[in-house]
Amino acid sequence: DTGVSQDPRHKITKRGQNVTFRCDPISEHNRLYWYRQTLGQGPEFLTYFQNEAQLEKSRLLSDRFSAERPKGSFSTLEIQRTEQGDSAMYLCASSLEHRETQYFGPGTRLLVL
Amino acid sequence: AQRVTQPEKLLSVFKGAPVELKCNYSYSGSPELFWYVQYSRQRLQLLLRHISRESIKGFTADLNKGETSFHLKKPFAQEEDSAMYYCALSGSRDDKIIFGKGTRLHILP
Repeated sequence: DTGVSQDPRHKITKRGQNVTFRCDPISEHNRLYWYRQTLGQGPEFLTYFQNEAQLEKSRLLSDRFSAERPKGSFSTLEIQRTEQGDSAMYLCASSLEHRETQYFGPGTRLLVL
Repeated sequence: AQRVTQPEKLLSVFKGAPVELKCNYSYSGSPELFWYVQYSRQRLQLLLRHISRESIKGFTADLNKGETSFHLKKPFAQEEDSAMYYCALSGSRDDKIIFGKGTRLHILP
């Protein structure tokens, strides 16, 4: 197992388009997290899952954002009608259980033109 | 409000000199404190957490509840310590991590 993987690594899109990112956690990790990082800032929490259940969503996650983890394994994060302010690095992390170490993926860098 | 403050954006230290990266936090309750590190072209990774009380790569951090601080220290800097360092916390009841803005540590030869 090579750790958390994310796809794509880079995405350039035009304003108004929809984009979807995928995260594959470390196998057997029950918890999966999404964070967003903009230039000069630390990562900001977006949402997290325990298996397939979405347990918490940040108010940063507007109605245009939706995340799923349908079978409790990989997760997708979709952004509808992208805006330039959505340009950021989107990070995924996973942990074995509650309060365990979160392992981060390499991130997906989104640029909205 | 839950907040992590790292007052220094950039810290330059000569090789062999002591390092101290400052971190202060605001949280109502008993948080868990972390330091994460990101080396050039690598992913974010956990350096240490206060409950483990470990020394990782020569770094230590002591939680001072009175001053709400969790400064990261190393007695003798090495060139491979150059990286971005993030102080972070999580609450007792949830797993989301709140990060500071980070401090870039640059070790001068």
